[in-house]
Amino acid sequence: EAGVVQSPRYKIIEKKQPVAFWCNPISGHNTLYWYRQNLGQGPELLIRYENEEAVDDSQLPKDRFSAERLKGVDSTLKIQPAELGDSAVYLCASSPRSEQFFGPGTRLTVL
Amino acid sequence: AQTVTQSQPEMSVQEAETVTLSCTYDTSENNYYLFWYKQPPSRQMILVIRQEAYKQQNATENRFSVNFQKAAKSFSLKISDSQLGDTAMYFCASVGAGSYQLTFGKGTKLSVIP
Repeated sequence: EAGVVQSPRYKIIEKKQPVAFWCNPISGHNTLYWYRQNLGQGPELLIRYENEEAVDDSQLPKDRFSAERLKGVDSTLKIQPAELGDSAVYLCASSPRSEQFFGPGTRLTVL
Repeated sequence: AQTVTQSQPEMSVQEAETVTLSCTYDTSENNYYLFWYKQPPSRQMILVIRQEAYKQQNATENRFSVNFQKAAKSFSLKISDSQLGDTAMYFCASVGAGSYQLTFGKGTKLSVIP
């Protein structure tokens, strides 16, 4: 069974540029999560989807961050414009119930 | 609300020895789940072991076992016969039974020394 797929693995951009991350969850997992993991910290939830509906986006900085999960399968997280403080690892996870399965993450560096 | 505290930022252990990583948590939930995740340098977060709070028996997965002390809100991870591949960050996490939001600790960096 294929795991959670994320791309790209690494991204380096200059501040004020836009950036997008893509995630394909495990087949059959209706719940999808985006996390941000700052250096030396545990992951923090940004948004959770149930199928195509964002059911918890209270931690998503909506002025610059947006996400979508069209058709309730793969998902895209976008930052526009990026700021220096957005440098972090962005993790995607999916779950059938309480156990979450994580992808390898995208390491974003904003210069 | 839930909080998870890992008080050991870094630990090291000799290969083949046993090491215990500490975790304490606080929750207002009556039922919840506790997890230990491993994150090697590849960044892939891998589930090591899970414990359901209503189960008194400590969970065990091969060389990994937990000491779950519900009254003390403690959930430590014991790794026996440590291997070089166990070198990684280890995160303790909790989630309420009716919730989906995992709360993570800050992690413990474990180094296994040959």
